[in-house]
Amino acid sequence: AQKITQTQPGMFVQEKEAVTLDCTYDTSDQSYGLFWYKQPSSGEMIFLIYQGSYDEQNATEGRYSLNFQKARKSANLVISASQLGDSAMYFCAMRENAGGTSYGKLTFGQGTILTVHP
Amino acid sequence: EAGVAQSPRYKIIEKRQSVAFWCNPISGHATLYWYQQILGQGPKLLIQFQNNGVVDDSQLPKDRFSAERLKGVDSTLKIQPAKLEDSAVYLCASSAGRGAGSETQYFGPGTRLLVL
Repeated sequence: AQKITQTQPGMFVQEKEAVTLDCTYDTSDQSYGLFWYKQPSSGEMIFLIYQGSYDEQNATEGRYSLNFQKARKSANLVISASQLGDSAMYFCAMRENAGGTSYGKLTFGQGTILTVHP
Repeated sequence: EAGVAQSPRYKIIEKRQSVAFWCNPISGHATLYWYQQILGQGPKLLIQFQNNGVVDDSQLPKDRFSAERLKGVDSTLKIQPAKLEDSAVYLCASSAGRGAGSETQYFGPGTRLLVL
């Protein structure tokens, strides 16, 4: 079974609007972490935001926020006020056993290509 | 602060040839990772080093892939002999500690390999 599922191969959004990128995950660990990375056409993976499984509040970093619904095992990325530079591939990733007893391997989803239109 | 450096950026080889990729992590970072990213997929961890020791190489095809991290700093990933299915982007990443919890991995620009 897929540990990380991103069901949207591609998304389109108008500049200055908000967009939500979906991510669901599968784990039996109680302690885990969820990450979102951005990969522009240049290829480098850029860290955006992190959510720990025990964090009570949704993570926010500037225009990025993470809509964490633990019972549904979803960790959707919300980008507010989209900019042309947001056009890229976005990956959701999970680190299981994030309590610190493992060495922290990340498992990535398939990614979602976001295109921002002017 | 300099980021993760990788070279070469692009490489084209014929099948059955050998190839090597180099990575220099962020200064002081203890943990180094090599990922393989096939077109249209997310990165997959090949091997993880903490300092100069291997902590996870469960997904490394050891019959053809090898990696080392001498002196706990830079690292080399080698493929010998290459197959067509090895065409991918090879990403190197590093993190400050041992990679647990909320610790962020910082990625290099990657090496794009095409095997003909």
